[in-house]
Amino acid sequence: TQLLEQSPQFLSIQEGENLTVYCNSSSVFSSLQWYRQEPGEGPVLLVTVVTGGEVKKLKRLTFQFGDARKDSSLHITAAQPGDTGLYLCAPRMDSSYKLIFGSGTRLLVRP
Amino acid sequence: GAGVSQSPSNKVTEKGKDVELRCDPISGHTALYWYRQSLGQGLEFLIYFQGNSAPDKSGLPSDRFSAERTGGSVSTLTIQRTQQEDSAVYLCASSLAPGLAGGGDEQYFGPGTRLTVT
Repeated sequence: TQLLEQSPQFLSIQEGENLTVYCNSSSVFSSLQWYRQEPGEGPVLLVTVVTGGEVKKLKRLTFQFGDARKDSSLHITAAQPGDTGLYLCAPRMDSSYKLIFGSGTRLLVRP
Repeated sequence: GAGVSQSPSNKVTEKGKDVELRCDPISGHTALYWYRQSLGQGLEFLIYFQGNSAPDKSGLPSDRFSAERTGGSVSTLTIQRTQQEDSAVYLCASSLAPGLAGGGDEQYFGPGTRLTVT
């Protein structure tokens, strides 16, 4: 059974600060998705990364897929209260349709 | 167009009763997934439907859980003889057939059904 770990589990920061959250595993993934979930709603896809070393930017969010495709990070610059939510990484093994969801990082951005 | 809808949004039931949860996927999406999310946890895969293929039931936690998808569209997740440990948010997602180029494997989630077993 592969182990998927997201860290930190919880993060509370002030508006304007930068932060990075991590998704790590000992397994190699064919691709990885990041989702954000707000209270009372389902997760919403932010990005898909496929190539080792790939970096994608979405406004203030920067996503990186590790060279070995075993880990990923999400960096948020100048966090805003609207960034508050649960950030879930969801890698995919091989060409399987199954996503493996981590337990997430719960982010609170205080105004 | 309309997103994935789920009903009911909240369900409180007594231990031992059966419950049915409904999911209406996005029109045209052939893949449908059910997940369970316990408080403060990530998503646990339950079952997957793809077109007319046999569903992947490998995530169902016990034989009290079953699901069907009628006409390739609406899906119902049934939990028989509910237990307190079944309390969770049940999320449904749909996608175009996975593996398609151009992001066809993006999963679109419904708002979930919060199930509380007392």
